[in-house]
Amino acid sequence: NAGVTQTPKFQVLKTGQSMTLQCAQDMNHEYMSWYRQDPGMGLRLIHYSVGAGITDQGEVPNGYNVSRSTTEDFPLRLLSAAPSQTSVYFCASRIGQGNEQFFGPGTRLTVL
Amino acid sequence: GIQVEQSPPDLILQEGANSTLRCNFSDSVNNLQWFHQNPWGQLINLFYIPSGTKQNGRLSATTVATERYSLLYISSSQTTDSGVYFCAVRETSGSRLTFGEGTQLTVNP
Repeated sequence: NAGVTQTPKFQVLKTGQSMTLQCAQDMNHEYMSWYRQDPGMGLRLIHYSVGAGITDQGEVPNGYNVSRSTTEDFPLRLLSAAPSQTSVYFCASRIGQGNEQFFGPGTRLTVL
Repeated sequence: GIQVEQSPPDLILQEGANSTLRCNFSDSVNNLQWFHQNPWGQLINLFYIPSGTKQNGRLSATTVATERYSLLYISSSQTTDSGVYFCAVRETSGSRLTFGEGTQLTVNP
């Protein structure tokens, strides 16, 4: 198993540009989620999904969109990037409620 | 929402020393995990421990769910143990994993 994979590893955007961060898992996990980590802080939840076709907002959803068309993929879209979205983004998955969560390697995003 | 507090915020050790990191949480949980974030930013799963005690080599963890705390023990520390240790919990009634702010561990040779 590759586990949770994320692409790209690094990205630089200009203010106003859009992009999609990719996340995939090959463990047949129901739950997937996106977190951001800012310097010196823990991770904060952006959006999550409890299964294909179902998504919901987390703690800091503004400026981000998600969709879950398949069990394996959970892309995160930035519609109009802002400097405040400069952060490290982690995707995670788990098999079900209350189970261990696994994280991808992260995407380091800089918005100029 | 649930509050997660980790202590100490920073810890500096000499190689070979032992340490205890603490995680307090404010509500009932059905998931508690300890992670190590290495200097390259990777989050490494250490323990999935909503209750009880587990050991993995030089590391062990204990969660006392009824008293709402968990402890991570590191024995005979090595320089490769350096990094940030996060505790994360999920409320029994919720679906999100809430992180503490972490303990920054530095192990000097």
